[in-house]
Amino acid sequence: GESVGLHLPTLSVQEGDNSIINCAYSNSASDYFIWYKQESGKGPQFIIDIRSNMDKRQGQRVTVLLNKTVKHLSLQIAATQPGDSAVYFCAENGDAGNMLTFGGGTRLMVKP
Amino acid sequence: SQTIHQWPATLVQPVGSPLSLECTVEGTSNPNLYWYRQAAGRGLQLLFYSVGIGQISSEVPQNLSASRPQDRQFILSSKKLLLSDSGFYLCAWSKGKDYGYTFGSGTRLTVV
Repeated sequence: GESVGLHLPTLSVQEGDNSIINCAYSNSASDYFIWYKQESGKGPQFIIDIRSNMDKRQGQRVTVLLNKTVKHLSLQIAATQPGDSAVYFCAENGDAGNMLTFGGGTRLMVKP
Repeated sequence: SQTIHQWPATLVQPVGSPLSLECTVEGTSNPNLYWYRQAAGRGLQLLFYSVGIGQISSEVPQNLSASRPQDRQFILSSKKLLLSDSGFYLCAWSKGKDYGYTFGSGTRLTVV
């Protein structure tokens, strides 16, 4: 599904703090999850992914956590920087067909 | 490596005029192709997707159509634009939903 009609929730953090962006996914059959970052006026960019045989995966300053029991996905950004300001989307692959299902997105604002 | 090209970047069109947005993918064959629309401050709305030449699936009834005349070319069209067609249009490609999507840079369409 898509949450296209909803205004984006906003997370405001201080520069240097850690950020946690959450996503509740819908399909228990999903076994592949992705986080995308979309800066203003640009297309979404891949940040990090995780498959269901893992519960944690780390990248550079980012960590994705997967809790299959409660169908919850989170993106943690360490030492948040102004360049991290963007909209973040989670996505899952569980629906039928060749499509990902995107979450509604969260806007991250970093205060200097 | 694979790349996706989308143009134009911005477009201002009068109500009632036609539309043609083009998306091409390089470096891969038989990609799944997608058109999304994004209203300002909102999530991603899937418009069309294609799993092969001439194969188009429509997700939302609307004033738009899509075509895939070649394996790596995906075109979004309208015969007569409406004000409500304004938005940010994104093309994406994928090897399959278990591999994620790569998005183009988007087209900002303003219908006046």
